[in-house]
Order: sequence, then structure tokens, then C-alpha cells
Amino acid sequence: AQSVAQPEDQVNVAEGNPLTVKCTYSVSGNPYLFWYVQYPNRGLQFLLKYITGDNLVKGSYGFEAEFNKSQTSFHLKKPSALVSDSALYFCAMNTGFQKLVFGTGTRLLVSP
Amino acid sequence: NAGVTQTPKFRVLKTGQSMTLLCAQDMNHEYMYWYRQDPGMGLRLIHYSVGEGTTAKGEVPDGYNVSRLKKQNFLLGLESAAPSQTSVYFCASSYSMNRGQTSWWTEAFFGQGTRLTVV
Repeated sequence: AQSVAQPEDQVNVAEGNPLTVKCTYSVSGNPYLFWYVQYPNRGLQFLLKYITGDNLVKGSYGFEAEFNKSQTSFHLKKPSALVSDSALYFCAMNTGFQKLVFGTGTRLLVSP
Repeated sequence: NAGVTQTPKFRVLKTGQSMTLLCAQDMNHEYMYWYRQDPGMGLRLIHYSVGEGTTAKGEVPDGYNVSRLKKQNFLLGLESAAPSQTSVYFCASSYSMNRGQTSWWTEAFFGQGTRLTVV
């Protein structure tokens, strides 16, 4: 079965520090992975995606993600966190026809 | 270009009542989806459509029906609402890079959500 896991319900980081939001996946074939962000009372916004090729994917708002096939992970990273990055982050995997299976989400809190 | 628009944004229903949620997209996307978001569970797929006139069940379809009579619209119906259907509902649309073939790398575009409470 295809699945995505986000092991942390919440990540706390101080502004200016690097951040990592973790995601692991399970799939029998090639994974097509996405990160989305949700701000309060808003829909989900696309951040970045991994298709194939470079294991380091760059996305919107300075975010990047590192794909690691041996560890079946796709962690979201940012070198220097901003207070405005505080939001709910979802890792997701395409299961065909762009249907997505989501992780449970990780709330990122960036303190001033 | 409004993207994906959901109507209504909020609704309170009594148990047993029916309602329809409307999703409209102006990007000429082939694929449309309805998800529900519940605390601690992420988003789960209810139904989806890969083209006008076609629909298919997702992960949690029970208690819901859908229709896609026009390419730009995807309707989600609740025939007899239950408290377990209290949730935030999101519509999304996406597209295929290759006409008639599945491409796996295109992202989905989401609406703002509908917060539904069933009392």
C-alpha cells in the first residue's frame, strides 16, 4: 500500500535557524512526492515536488526538500526560518491521476 | 483567473439534511477532486473525476455523491448528513501534461475550503 508518514505533529524553531520537517513514504514503484503548506483558514498551496533526477529539489519561498531513496524520505528544509513560515505543512504522494495521499501534517511554529 | 472556487465557505446542517457543495475551476483542468480534512488525519480523498461525465470513488466515499456534468464544475452532495461528516472539505483540480495519458508530476490546485458542521 502507498502511504506517507509525518512523524512530528509539531516542530518548533527560532527565527533565523534552519528548519527541517520530516516525511517518509512507502511505495512499490517510483515515488512522486509533493510538499504543500496551509495557512490558517486557507486552502493548500503547492511548495515543491520531486519527480526524478536531482535529490535536492528547490521550491517556493526559499524551501527545498531532500529526497533519499535508501531511507525512503523526503524532508522539507529551509536554511533560515521566518516567523511567517509558521503554518501547517503536508507531505503528499501521487497515487495516479494526480490523486494524492497525504501525511497527517506537521505544524511549524517559528518564534521571534 | 480565480483558480478553484468553492461555495459555500461555511455551513451548519442538522442531522438528516441534505446539501450540495459546488466547486468551480477556470483553468480547464481535466481532473478534479474532493478531499476532507480532519484533525490529526491529514486530507483524505472522497471522490474524484478524470473528465467531464466521469466520477470515481476515493478512500472515504460513503455518504457522499458527486457529479461532473460540466468540465469546470464538480459537485459534492450529502444526501443525509451525519455528525461524522463534520469536517473541512477541499476541492482541487489538476491536469495531465500528455493528452490522454497519465503524467505523475503535475501539482494540484486547491480551493479555500468549506467548513461544514453537522449538529
